[in-house]
Amino acid sequence: AQRVTQPEKLLSVFKGAPVELKCNYSYSGSPELFWYVQYSRQRLQLLLRHISRESIKGFTADLNKGETSFHLKKPFAQEEDSAMYYCALLYGNNRLAFGKGNQVVVIP
Amino acid sequence: NAGVTQTPKFRILKIGQSMTLQCAQDMNHNYMYWYRQDPGMGLKLIYYSVGAGITDKGEVPNGYNVSRSTTEDFPLRLELAAPSQTSVYFCASSYPGATYNEQFFGPGTRLTVL
Repeated sequence: AQRVTQPEKLLSVFKGAPVELKCNYSYSGSPELFWYVQYSRQRLQLLLRHISRESIKGFTADLNKGETSFHLKKPFAQEEDSAMYYCALLYGNNRLAFGKGNQVVVIP
Repeated sequence: NAGVTQTPKFRILKIGQSMTLQCAQDMNHNYMYWYRQDPGMGLKLIYYSVGAGITDKGEVPNGYNVSRSTTEDFPLRLELAAPSQTSVYFCASSYPGATYNEQFFGPGTRLTVL
């Protein structure tokens, strides 16, 4: 069965400091991974998808199949990055398995 | 486009009551989903649908029912509400085959069962 693990629930960082959110997955098929973000009073939205290998709002994430990881990184945190972040794995019939999420608080 | 819409935004139910959470999308997506989000637990899939007339159970279907009579609408029915169903419910839609398989989410319905 598929599973997504995000170990830390709350991450507090100072503005300008690096941010790294860890995500590990377990899946028998070929993985397709995403990071979704939920800002305060907004709906959940897609931030990054591994297949596009893009940088969005300064965030990047690299799929490491050997370590079954898809960590999210940003070198310099901004206050507007404060949000809830979810790692998600796509599986059969276009379903998503979500991790428990990380609450990121950027301290000014 | 309004995207994915959900009603109501908030609801308080008494134990044993029933209600329907409404979800609609105007993007002509054939796939739709219902999730529940409990504090500290992430999102769990309740039911999903791959097209009108086709529904299937997700990870946590007990206590819920769905129907999909049109492409646009995917209501979630709670029968005999229980305190364990207190949660935030999200509806989502997608169009597999489109770029990157993105799911689009509604704003959520916060349900409290007392």
